[in-house]
Amino acid sequence: AQKITQTQPGMFVQEKEAVTLDCTYDTSDQSYGLFWYKQPSSGEMIFLIYQGSYDEQNATEGRYSLNFQKARKSANLVISASQLGDSAMYFCAMREGLMRGSNYKLTFGKGTLLTVNP
Amino acid sequence: DTAVSQTPKYLVTQMGNDKSIKCEQNLGHDTMYWYKQDSKKFLKIMFSYNNKELIINETVPNRFSPKSPDKAHLNLHINSLELGDSAVYFCASSPITGGVSPLHFGNGTRLTVT
Repeated sequence: AQKITQTQPGMFVQEKEAVTLDCTYDTSDQSYGLFWYKQPSSGEMIFLIYQGSYDEQNATEGRYSLNFQKARKSANLVISASQLGDSAMYFCAMREGLMRGSNYKLTFGKGTLLTVNP
Repeated sequence: DTAVSQTPKYLVTQMGNDKSIKCEQNLGHDTMYWYKQDSKKFLKIMFSYNNKELIINETVPNRFSPKSPDKAHLNLHINSLELGDSAVYFCASSPITGGVSPLHFGNGTRLTVT
């Protein structure tokens, strides 16, 4: 079974509008972290936002916010006021077993290609 | 500049050759990784080293051999290259105490095997 599922291969949004990119995850751990990365066409991986499983508040970083619904095991990324430069591939990722302290790998979803239209 | 840097950026080679990709980080992190991104953009971990010790080896063929001379460097050597090895290889690092810390990625090495 996939650990991270991103069901939207591609999304379109008009400039200045908000967009939600979906991410659901599967883990039996109680302590885990969820990350979102952006990969523009130039190829680099840019960290956007982090949400811990025990965080009570949804994470926010500038125009990025994370809609974390623990019971549904979803961690959707919300981008407000989209800009042309937001056009990129977006990856959701999870780190499990934070309390075990020995395995820091991130498991990635397959990504969503976001296109912002002028 | 503080960063994860990997060289070369592009690597074009023929089947059967041996090649290496180098990675260095000056972020003071203890853990380093190699990820492979295939043509469909899927990112999959290959290896992870913690203070020069291998801690993750995700069923990667033996032709791939990572080497970590110190905690700031993690190189990837690939023997007998195959067409299916064509991909973008990313090096990354994170602090050992940072369960909450993101991975910091290098800019990737695009390997093309002809």
